[in-house]
Amino acid sequence: AQTVTQSQPEMSVQEAETVTLSCTYDTSESDYYLFWYKQPPSRQMILVIRQEAYKQQNATENRFSVNFQKAAKSFSLKISDSQLGDAAMYFCATNAGNMLTFGGGTRLMVKP
Amino acid sequence: DAMVIQNPRYQVTQFGKPVTLSCSQTLNHNVMYWYQQKSSQAPKLLFHYYDKDFNNEADTPDNFQSRRPNTSFCFLDIRSPGLGDAAMYLCATSRDRSNQPQHFGDGTRLSIL
Repeated sequence: AQTVTQSQPEMSVQEAETVTLSCTYDTSESDYYLFWYKQPPSRQMILVIRQEAYKQQNATENRFSVNFQKAAKSFSLKISDSQLGDAAMYFCATNAGNMLTFGGGTRLMVKP
Repeated sequence: DAMVIQNPRYQVTQFGKPVTLSCSQTLNHNVMYWYQQKSSQAPKLLFHYYDKDFNNEADTPDNFQSRRPNTSFCFLDIRSPGLGDAAMYLCATSRDRSNQPQHFGDGTRLSIL
């Protein structure tokens, strides 16, 4: 079985600053993907970024980047130049075992 | 735009009265999923269809059923809703079950009176 742990239930960041959301996971699979999903209040869950476990290079998508440490089973999300629209629940997930396993989520608040 | 559409956005039903939630997709994906999400919690997978093959999670109550009459549509039936079934229900699709990301609908918020 897979487990995903997000140790920060809530985080806050000042607009234009940088924030890092933590995620650790556990799996015995060798080939899998890791994802960060964003769920704004009462809105659709959308994919922010994904990382292939066999790639050492960290994925980036505009202001969003990850720090993937495979040996440590760590997959943190860095949001640069935070914007008010980044306020949301963020879920870390893995598809190891062919089904998505989510972490408990981190609520990110952005202060103007 | 290709998307995952859930209807209705909000559904109110009475305790014990059967209710059906619907999901449609224009992505032509093979896999459709139903999740239950309670307030400030992670989504919990109820079941999924891989094409016509139904896959139930071990801890999904018998009260929850699903139908997929064709590739585009999938339904979630709750036969006798209890107060504990009040939640957001999310439908998602993916091209297959391996490394493809899942695409989510807006969800249906179910309230039980």
